[in-house]
Amino acid sequence: DTAVSQTPKYLVTQMGNDKSIKCEQNLGHDTMYWYKQDSKKFLKIMFSYNNKELIINETVPNRFSPKSPDKAHLNLHINSLELGDSAVYFCASSQSMNTEAFFGQGTRLTVV
Amino acid sequence: SQQGEEDPQALSIQEGENATMNCSYKTSINNLQWYRQNSGRGLVHLILIRSNEREKHSGRLRVTLDTSKKSSSLLITASRAADTASYFCATGLPFMDTGRRALTFGSGTRLQVQP
Repeated sequence: DTAVSQTPKYLVTQMGNDKSIKCEQNLGHDTMYWYKQDSKKFLKIMFSYNNKELIINETVPNRFSPKSPDKAHLNLHINSLELGDSAVYFCASSQSMNTEAFFGQGTRLTVV
Repeated sequence: SQQGEEDPQALSIQEGENATMNCSYKTSINNLQWYRQNSGRGLVHLILIRSNEREKHSGRLRVTLDTSKKSSSLLITASRAADTASYFCATGLPFMDTGRRALTFGSGTRLQVQP
């Protein structure tokens, strides 16, 4: 049983398109996150949801929007994709904001 | 600037040798965590050390924490080729700051263990 699953694993799309990445966790955690990993492997926090409430929202473009239909899901919507959005996006969850985080396998997004 | 910065950026050793990676951070913390990432995979939690702890062991892993120097080290003893991966430290903020920050990662140390 996969603890944190995200789909798709690979996503290739053209500039200007709108896309979504889905994430689900079956651990019963209260907090979920989206991270972006760039080509230099630096992980940057994008969003965090705690009990369906947005806790943090780092300085990411408003083309990115998290959507949480329930505590187990946190989807990432990206509008008007740009070349610079190409990266690996990771979903993660934890019981609380300072505890051990469990990561999904990542979604490699390539914008062409 | 990054909250957690790992050093060195890359490390290559022979199987059987020990590998030491360091992490420095800037603000006060509640705990510090180490994660491992294999190529093309997600991060996997290795060990968590609280701010009131100085050393922690888990199998071949040994983590130290020096809050006065705002630094931590991860030691992998008797390394194996399967230990080849990137290793990240992550810091969590004290309770009163929770709600404004999440776990903050550095860019990792890429460890290569030669068989």
